[in-house]
Amino acid sequence: GAVVSQHPSRVICKSGTSVKIECRSLDFQATTMFWYRQFPKKSLMLMATSNEGSKATYEQGVEKDKFLINHASLTLSTLTVTSAHPEDSSFYICSARDLTGQLTQYFGPGTRLLVL
Amino acid sequence: AQSVTQLDSQVPVFEEAPVELRCNYSSSVSVYLFWYVQYPNQGLQLLLKYLSGSTLVESINGFEAEFNKSQTSFHLRKPSVHISDTAEYFCAVIVTGGGNKLTFGTGTQLKVEL
Repeated sequence: GAVVSQHPSRVICKSGTSVKIECRSLDFQATTMFWYRQFPKKSLMLMATSNEGSKATYEQGVEKDKFLINHASLTLSTLTVTSAHPEDSSFYICSARDLTGQLTQYFGPGTRLLVL
Repeated sequence: AQSVTQLDSQVPVFEEAPVELRCNYSSSVSVYLFWYVQYPNQGLQLLLKYLSGSTLVESINGFEAEFNKSQTSFHLRKPSVHISDTAEYFCAVIVTGGGNKLTFGTGTQLKVEL
């Protein structure tokens, strides 16, 4: 149980285009989902906390207009990288917290974004 | 602010040998501690966690970690590793009253060799 999927697993796009990444909790409902960014040889950096039905809470230094987050249902959150640039190339990982396990996060497999 | 330090970026070890992956944290308030494992091309999986109670926690595949408050450590150990344990291991902390946000260490690559 507690499976989280991400789509796509890899994406290559041109500079200036927008890319949408989906995060789904497959067998449980998630009131809260988290979006992380992972650089090579670095730890996961929390970008934002996404709560179903409300606006996301962004961490300091993360541009909310560039990284649009929507959490429209209890099983789906999306991250849209708008007007992507090469410096946005990274590994993006989502996690979800179920309704009962307040401290345990279940992670998706990640999405590798390459902006040319 | 809290932080998590994993001093070893890579730990090579022979199969059936013991291993210890070190994790230290800094926080002025109580914490909850986690170890996550990331196998190649897969997402992070929860390995074990300390929330309260016994300071020694175990996973189903033979790993254990001990919460040491005085040394602010949560080192991960296994008495005999297997090839299949090759993975990236992340230590993480949640600070009480911090919105249940995970703060991760930089990870330790465990490479088990024959």
